[in-house]
Amino acid sequence: NAGVTQTPKFQVLKTGQSMTLQCAQDMNHEYMSWYRQDPGMGLRLIHYSVGAGITDQGEVPNGYNVSRSTTEDFPLRLLSAAPSQTSVYFCASSYSAGERAGELFFGEGSRLTVL
Amino acid sequence: TQLLEQSPQFLSIQEGENLTVYCNSSSVFSSLQWYRQEPGEGPVLLVTVVTGGEVKKLKRLTFQFGDARKDSSLHITAAQPGDTGLYLCAGAKGGSEKLVFGKGMKLTVNP
Repeated sequence: NAGVTQTPKFQVLKTGQSMTLQCAQDMNHEYMSWYRQDPGMGLRLIHYSVGAGITDQGEVPNGYNVSRSTTEDFPLRLLSAAPSQTSVYFCASSYSAGERAGELFFGEGSRLTVL
Repeated sequence: TQLLEQSPQFLSIQEGENLTVYCNSSSVFSSLQWYRQEPGEGPVLLVTVVTGGEVKKLKRLTFQFGDARKDSSLHITAAQPGDTGLYLCAGAKGGSEKLVFGKGMKLTVNP
């Protein structure tokens, strides 16, 4: 099982450039989310989705866009990269109902550096 | 304001020692989860606790959810080098899939 797959694993951008972090899951999870992890800050929720066509903002959404056109995919777009967006980004998914609801499966992370 | 406070934030111990990690909040959670993260990887779920006072055991790890569902603890017995990693607690509030994470406790177990 592939689980949650994130690409790219590493990326270096210049200030002002845009890019998309890809996330795909093969577990038929309804819920998908993006977190960023920074030293001393823990994991902070950027955006999340409870199903195809539905997205909502998390704790730190500014500078990021998401869309959910299929159950499997949840890309994160950086519109105009800033050095403050240097971080490790994690995509995570879970069931929305049932015994395992809310238990997150994480990808391996995408390490982004903005110069 | 951090909704979930973990303590200690760092711990370096010798193999065979016992330790306890705390996860505290002033908020009530419908469930609380513990994850472990190794360098260069994503967090991996260890356990979910949902009932106040609940105790769950996973080999040498014992997890407890506070009676009021505002706090949790993780106790590791006879720590091993393979236990090294970042331990994260995360809470969910009723009816929401959104998880709020603590900052984590970085554990190093020396041989």
